[in-house]
Amino acid sequence: AQKVTQAQTEISVVEKEDVTLDCVYETRDTTYYLFWYKQPPSGELVFLIRRNSFDEQNEISGRYSWNFQKSTSSFNFTITASQVVDSAVYFCALLLSNTGNQFYFGTGTSLTVIP
Amino acid sequence: SAVISQKPSRDICQRGTSLTIQCQVDSQVTMMFWYRQQPGQSLTLIATANQGSEATYESGFVIDKFPISRPNLTFSTLTVSNMSPEDSSIYLCSVPRTNSYEQYFGPGTRLTVT
Repeated sequence: AQKVTQAQTEISVVEKEDVTLDCVYETRDTTYYLFWYKQPPSGELVFLIRRNSFDEQNEISGRYSWNFQKSTSSFNFTITASQVVDSAVYFCALLLSNTGNQFYFGTGTSLTVIP
Repeated sequence: SAVISQKPSRDICQRGTSLTIQCQVDSQVTMMFWYRQQPGQSLTLIATANQGSEATYESGFVIDKFPISRPNLTFSTLTVSNMSPEDSSIYLCSVPRTNSYEQYFGPGTRLTVT
């Protein structure tokens, strides 16, 4: 069975602090994709990143970075120098290559950045 | 990127009534997806709507409760029938990005059932 776990339900940080959002996934498939989405208060899901199971290279995009480790089935997301606009719910998601477009979402981590 | 709109953006409905949610995409897409996000919970796929065929429902969701229409390649509706307070959720439609495993999500419809 597929499963995505985001153990951190809510996190609060002070502006300019770094914060890491954890994501652990479970699947027996060897080919899969991992995603992070941001859901601001407006409700719309915003795509942040996709990684496939064969590419364990970490990625940095501005203040965002992602650490993918297959050995621990983790795909963690770090925001450096957080800003108030980063306040949102962040979802980690798993997509198997053989199930079309069915996503398995984690329960989300609500991040509040305090000015 | 695809632009997706949903109507209504929010609604408060009485128990036992039905609500139809519309999803409009600014480009033609083969597949459209409907998700439910219960309060404080993650997103759960309700069904996949293909144009010209019946929707495919995930385990736990049935057509009588969530009938879906897909009259063309840019539009779909999801009806939440005979509503109960447990149906209070955000309902989102999404479409896949062309030649990609990414998905675009609509802004969601916030439904409250009293």
